[in-house]
Amino acid sequence: SQTIHQWPATLVQPVGSPLSLECTVEGTSNPNLYWYRQAAGRGLQLLFYSVGIGQISSEVPQNLSASRPQDRQFILSSKKLLLSDSGFYLCAGTGKGEQYFGPGTRLTVT
Amino acid sequence: AQKITQTQPGMFVQEKEAVTLDCTYDTSDPSYGLFWYKQPSSGEMIFLIYQGSYDQQNATEGRYSLNFQKARKSANLVISASQLGDSAMYFCAMREGVPDSWGKLQFGAGTQVVVTP
Repeated sequence: SQTIHQWPATLVQPVGSPLSLECTVEGTSNPNLYWYRQAAGRGLQLLFYSVGIGQISSEVPQNLSASRPQDRQFILSSKKLLLSDSGFYLCAGTGKGEQYFGPGTRLTVT
Repeated sequence: AQKITQTQPGMFVQEKEAVTLDCTYDTSDPSYGLFWYKQPSSGEMIFLIYQGSYDQQNATEGRYSLNFQKARKSANLVISASQLGDSAMYFCAMREGVPDSWGKLQFGAGTQVVVTP
């Protein structure tokens, strides 16, 4: 089975600062990769997904962006964070069948 | 439109008892998959069980079973013999399309389960 790694685990950033969250996958090749955000006490919102290197689809308009520079690497970025970007960010990957999640990054924008 | 509906925001259950978490879904795609995940307070999403739309039998994984009623578009999770460690948020999710499709999951709002001694 595949393993999803994410870092950092927690992050506190001021409004207007840049963001880079990294996700890497091991145990599978050519995975489909996803970034989700979860607001406190809420369900998961799909932000981006990728079916291959350089292929990114955005689900919701926002000031975030994603990139996939390598097959098993997925990066979530922002040039200027907003207060509303606070939340729990989860990376997920799937080949066939189940979708596995990373441990998540808890982002607080102050 | 909401594709996954979990009507129970929270539940209390006594240790060693069984609990049923409700999930209904909406899709016109004949091929789909249904998932249940557990999210403890640590935040990680733990995969519990999967049911494919063409599976003839209800899925089971240890103490977890999925009560799949296709005509009613219902996929309830049953946890038998609840343990204190089962206290967590539980999410139902659906993926439309064939099993080896790219697999975008749509999640319900979740049900918070608290197991009491």
